[in-house]
Amino acid sequence: ETGVTQTPRHLVMGMTNKKSLKCEQHLGHNAMYWYKQSAKKPLELMFVYNFKEQTENNSVPSRFSPECPNSSHLFLHLHTLQPEDSALYLCASSAAGGFPGANVLTFGAGSRLTVL
Amino acid sequence: EDQVTQSPEALRLQEGESSSLNCSYTVSGLRGLFWYRQDPGKGPEFLFTLYSAGEEKEKERLKATLTKKESFLHITAPKPEDSATYLCAVQVGTYKYIFGTGTRLKVLA
Repeated sequence: ETGVTQTPRHLVMGMTNKKSLKCEQHLGHNAMYWYKQSAKKPLELMFVYNFKEQTENNSVPSRFSPECPNSSHLFLHLHTLQPEDSALYLCASSAAGGFPGANVLTFGAGSRLTVL
Repeated sequence: EDQVTQSPEALRLQEGESSSLNCSYTVSGLRGLFWYRQDPGKGPEFLFTLYSAGEEKEKERLKATLTKKESFLHITAPKPEDSATYLCAVQVGTYKYIFGTGTRLKVLA
């Protein structure tokens, strides 16, 4: 089992559907992130949570709704998406600090989303 | 504006042909520079962290170096299994990282 687990790995949805992406980490990290990865673009930060508290919301459209019930779980709720939202959604976690290994993002395998 | 630029966009090498990937950055405050490897259909995998100019890190055929403006990822005698996309990221805040667009490396046998 990898440190950061994402489900589902693949998701196809219509523009009127509601679905959710799930992320789970067992690394004891305090921070969890959602990134969007599109072809030929840099990873785009969407949301950051530190110990369940949202610290970043990078002007993400309201059709993306994050939820962080505890420091080990992170969800991304999706509704009325657009075709341009099709991308790889990556979850990551990190431990903030000055010790070896701190601040390194550990990524999950990603959820490949296709919006029809 | 904080910016990270990687070059080349794509690179094809023959097995054993050494080369370097570049990551240049313009940021207001560098907390660390990170290199990741990403295989198709997978998430990025951590390779190195560099914190200050002059620092070097090595792992097998890979060596990362850092100056005040850029970082290089040197690949010595690459093998086909080194084929991947290599991502560079700069940490500019406690939870803020700026990523480059990556270099797609293909090593031919």
